[in-house]
Amino acid sequence: RKEVEQDPGPFNVPEGATVAFNCTYSNSASQSFFWYRQDCRKEPKLLMSVYSSGNEDGRFTAQLNRASQYISLLIRDSKLSDSATYLCVVKWVANAGNMLTFGGGTRLMVKP
Amino acid sequence: DVKVTQSSRYLVKRTGEKVFLECVQDMDHENMFWYRQDPGLGLRLIYFSYDVKMKEKGDIPEGYSVSREKKERFSLILESASTNQTSMYLCASALRAASLYEQYFGPGTRLTVT
Repeated sequence: RKEVEQDPGPFNVPEGATVAFNCTYSNSASQSFFWYRQDCRKEPKLLMSVYSSGNEDGRFTAQLNRASQYISLLIRDSKLSDSATYLCVVKWVANAGNMLTFGGGTRLMVKP
Repeated sequence: DVKVTQSSRYLVKRTGEKVFLECVQDMDHENMFWYRQDPGLGLRLIYFSYDVKMKEKGDIPEGYSVSREKKERFSLILESASTNQTSMYLCASALRAASLYEQYFGPGTRLTVT
């Protein structure tokens, strides 16, 4: 079983739609959570952190449910430029320090 | 601006060749990482380093080794390349003590072993 699981998609949505992705993690010692975005043939980049109380950044809302061990990302009013792969990322602490575990990513395609 | 560079964007090597992938960061980060990314498998950690001359195995170290002689440079070595090492290789760095702990990635090296 993968430590961080995501639906690979693709999610095909029209412009202006609202779309949500979920991610589940298995390591209960996970400390922090993030969403990274990866454009086609590019490197991953941090999109936003996920706080326990939930947080919003413009059209993006991230939520964390520790009891059920899942994280979500909601995108409102989708734009063509939102087309990308969204990686769910979990931080935990190893002997050597902070470590990140990446999910396989969910691919989003926003159509005109 | 944060910068992680990798020596090659595309590389084609033959089975059995020794391959060096170089990564350089200019942010004075203590931590550096090598991942490979394959369709359906996501990013998998090969090796990481939390200081000069220090290295730790990640989840899939077999067939790879690393070198960190200077803080800014982290090299991945394939001693004898095999076709199952055809992949996208991503280097990343991070500031160890940062509370956000963002990892910054290089542009990637797409390695093909024939």
